[in-house]
Amino acid sequence: EVQLVESGGGLVQPGGSLRLSCAASGFTFSSYAMSWVRQAPGKGLEWVSAISGSGGSTYYADSVKGRFTISRDNSKNTLYLQMNSLRAEDTAVYYCAKATAGVVVTAIPLDYWGQGTLVTVSS
Amino acid sequence: SYELTQPPSVSVSPGQTARITCSGDALPKQYAYWYQQKPGQAPVLVIYKDSERPSGIPERFSGSSSGTTVTLTISGVQAEDEADYYCQSADSSGTYPWVFGGGTKLTVL
Repeated sequence: EVQLVESGGGLVQPGGSLRLSCAASGFTFSSYAMSWVRQAPGKGLEWVSAISGSGGSTYYADSVKGRFTISRDNSKNTLYLQMNSLRAEDTAVYYCAKATAGVVVTAIPLDYWGQGTLVTVSS
Repeated sequence: SYELTQPPSVSVSPGQTARITCSGDALPKQYAYWYQQKPGQAPVLVIYKDSERPSGIPERFSGSSSGTTVTLTISGVQAEDEADYYCQSADSSGTYPWVFGGGTKLTVL
């Protein structure tokens, strides 16, 4: 059974940093691209970042480029999102999700999602 | 940036057919995917590659594509189908590999 468990969320002040983790199990982690998707309170889904299965390719939404860094440790089956220079508008539930391929060459879906971790940016 | 456009809301009575559209310039070149999200829950993939249905998804869910618009159709809507629905695709250049539509709230009257 595929499981994705996010952790690391919490309350942080504007300008602060936070690192999210996503522990994966139930599939060959290194074979699949992974993504972070967020959802602000009462709002829709917003794709944040993604990384190929090997970790060699990374992708970012314009809204987080230069502030967030995605990475993965395939030996630990864990995905990370380092978030720096946090802003109030980064407040959201952050979901970790598994893609259906290891590389991103065309539109592919996210077939498994974690339950999310809440990040609140406020003074 | 690239955008996918959905209607904010759709309302239908039980047993009727609901149609939710999603428009985007790259949709003739990129597959579209649909997710269902109920309050407090993570999204669930209900349609992939425009019209394919994952295992476990009821047959009343179907998808279609025509030009720059894709459509999620729910036939014989049930009360349990009330949820937010999101389309997802990518831009044609690969710069934005995941793009979500703004979401459509399906209300079962």
